[in-house]
Amino acid sequence: DGGITQSPKYLFRKEGQNVTLSCEQNLNHDAMYWYRQDPGQGLRLIYYSQIVNDFQKGDIAEGYSVSREKKESFPLTVTSAQKNPTAFYLCASSIAGEVYEQYFGPGTRLTVT
Amino acid sequence: AQSVSQHNHHVILSEAASLELGCNYSYGGTVNLFWYVQYPGQHLQLLLKYFSGDPLVKGIKGFEAEFIKSKFSFNLRKPSVQWSDTAEYFCAVKPPGNTGKLIFGQGTTLQVKP
Repeated sequence: DGGITQSPKYLFRKEGQNVTLSCEQNLNHDAMYWYRQDPGQGLRLIYYSQIVNDFQKGDIAEGYSVSREKKESFPLTVTSAQKNPTAFYLCASSIAGEVYEQYFGPGTRLTVT
Repeated sequence: AQSVSQHNHHVILSEAASLELGCNYSYGGTVNLFWYVQYPGQHLQLLLKYFSGDPLVKGIKGFEAEFIKSKFSFNLRKPSVQWSDTAEYFCAVKPPGNTGKLIFGQGTTLQVKP
C-alpha cells in the first residue's frame, strides 16, 4: 500500500532535548511538508521541500530544522530553541510543481515537559 | 496579512440537518481551493478540490462546495448530515503563483448528534 508513515505516534521528551520526528513516503512524490496542528489554529507550515537536497522555511520555522537527503524521507528535528514544542505534527507529500492535493500521514503527538 | 478564514469554529447539528461551513480567503488572482476532513483518530484526507471550470464541486460522501470568486469564498455544504460526519474540517488555499505550499484555515469542528 502506498502512503505516508510517521513514527512514533506519541513521543515524550524533557525540556532542553532535541527530538527528531520521522516521515517516510512511498508515493514517489517529490514534495514533502511538515505542519504543526494546534487547537483553534489549523495547520501551520513549518518547512517544505520540493526536491531532494532543497527545502524552504514555512511560516513557523523558528526552533525547527529539517533535512531531505532522500526522496522518500523528510525528518523534522524539534530543537531546544522551540519555545512551545508540545503539539501534533503532521507530515504530507504531493506531486511537485503546481500544488496538487497533499496526502497526509497519521501524525506524531509530541509532549515536552 | 493574507489569510484563509473559517468563521465557524464549532458547529453542532442533529442528524439530517443541512450543513454549510464558511471559508473565505484574501488572495487576489488565481487560486486552487481544497477542503480536507479529519475524522477522529484518522488521517487528514481530501474531501474535494477546485482548480478551474465548474465552480460547483462535488466531493466524497455527498459533500459539495461552491467557489464564488467575487466573494473570495469556497463554502462547504451537505444537504443532510450523518453522525459519521462528526469530524474537523479544514479549508485550504494554494495562493497565486508557484509558491509550493497550501495555506490552511483554522478548522471547524462539526459534531453531529444522533
